[in-house]
Amino acid sequence: DAGITQSPRYKITETGRQVTLMCHQTWSHSYMFWYRQDLGHGLRLIYYSAAADITDKGEVPDGYVVSRSKTENFPLTLESATRSQTSVYFCASSQGTVYNEQFFGPGTRLTVL
Amino acid sequence: QKEVEQNSGPLSVPEGAIASLNCTYSDRVSQSFFWYRQYSGKSPELIMSIYSNGDKEDGRFTAQLNKASQYVSLLIRDSQPSDSATYLCAVRRDSSYKLIFGSGTRLLVRP
Repeated sequence: DAGITQSPRYKITETGRQVTLMCHQTWSHSYMFWYRQDLGHGLRLIYYSAAADITDKGEVPDGYVVSRSKTENFPLTLESATRSQTSVYFCASSQGTVYNEQFFGPGTRLTVL
Repeated sequence: QKEVEQNSGPLSVPEGAIASLNCTYSDRVSQSFFWYRQYSGKSPELIMSIYSNGDKEDGRFTAQLNKASQYVSLLIRDSQPSDSATYLCAVRRDSSYKLIFGSGTRLLVRP
């Protein structure tokens, strides 16, 4: 049971390049989330999705784009990477019940030079 | 004021002691509360969830919720060096499935 996976695990890119981070879950969870984690800020929500083709902004959406054509995939794209987007990115999923327990993927460490 | 506040620590306790981690939240309509453990360089791992006032026990872990005081805590009994990690408190507001996370408390358990 793979659960929730992210790829790549590590990525180095340059300012201005487009980068896509992948997230895949095998639980058929309705909800998926993208967070970034930075020292001093904790986990901050970038975007989330309630179902295929339904996405909404979180706390820090600027500079990011998401899509969800299939329930199991939720890619995050940085259209033109900036140094301030250097961070660790976590994908999470949830069944979306009243208890809303979220389960996290292993993370992607992104460095923008 | 942050929506979810935690003391950053580190909280240092000797092996075998009880570690007490605290979290306060600002939104009175919050309904669901979660504790995650995060080892250095790893992803957050859900260890406890609590929805009603009172205590909820799971093995060595006890979560305590007091909605009137807007306070949730995590007790770890018989602390082990393997419990050394950052503990994140998360709160779900009633109107959405989004979680708001605190910045975490770093716990060190001394052998």
